[in-house]
Amino acid sequence: AQSVTQLGSHVSVSEGALVLLRCNYSSSVPPYLFWYVQYPNQGLQLLLKYTSAATLVKGINGFEAEFKKSETSFHLTKPSAHMSDAAEYFCAVSDGYNTDKLIFGTGTRLQVFP
Amino acid sequence: DTAVSQTPKYLVTQMGNDKSIKCEQNLGHDTMYWYKQDSKKFLKIMFSYNNKELIINETVPNRFSPKSPDKAHLNLHINSLELGDSAVYFCASSQDRDRYGYTFGSGTRLTVV
Repeated sequence: AQSVTQLGSHVSVSEGALVLLRCNYSSSVPPYLFWYVQYPNQGLQLLLKYTSAATLVKGINGFEAEFKKSETSFHLTKPSAHMSDAAEYFCAVSDGYNTDKLIFGTGTRLQVFP
Repeated sequence: DTAVSQTPKYLVTQMGNDKSIKCEQNLGHDTMYWYKQDSKKFLKIMFSYNNKELIINETVPNRFSPKSPDKAHLNLHINSLELGDSAVYFCASSQDRDRYGYTFGSGTRLTVV
């Protein structure tokens, strides 16, 4: 069965520092991978997605992620954190071909300090 | 012009009551979902419907009953509410999950007292 693991439930960075949020996946079929962001008291917003085209995917708000099949990883990065990036981030993988289900990781809370 | 809208945004109710949460999408998507987010932020799928047909029912207690009168609406009715039902419930829709992912509503925070 497909699954994702997000290492680190909390990540803290200073404003202007590199953001790195880790996601590893397990999938028996070529995966489709997604990163979502959830701001306080809001729904989830799609940041970016990997759909088997380019392995380096650029998303909104300056975020990007690289699909590495050899490492089964899809880590999210941003070169310079901004205070407004503070939120909960979720990695998700599609549940194969048979359903339209997305399997979500447990989330990583990003804190940004001035 | 909200894409996926849920009502109400907040719902506080007593144990044993019956309540409904409504969801509507104006994106023309064929598939709609209900997800539950617990206090630890963990997201778990409950149901999905494709063009009014139930596709996924993930071992949810039968006190939870989804209803899809048309492909733009997916409502969630909950009978005999329990304390453990307190959570944030998200509605979502998709047309091509693998290409575009889901579009989520802003959530309904249900508190059972």
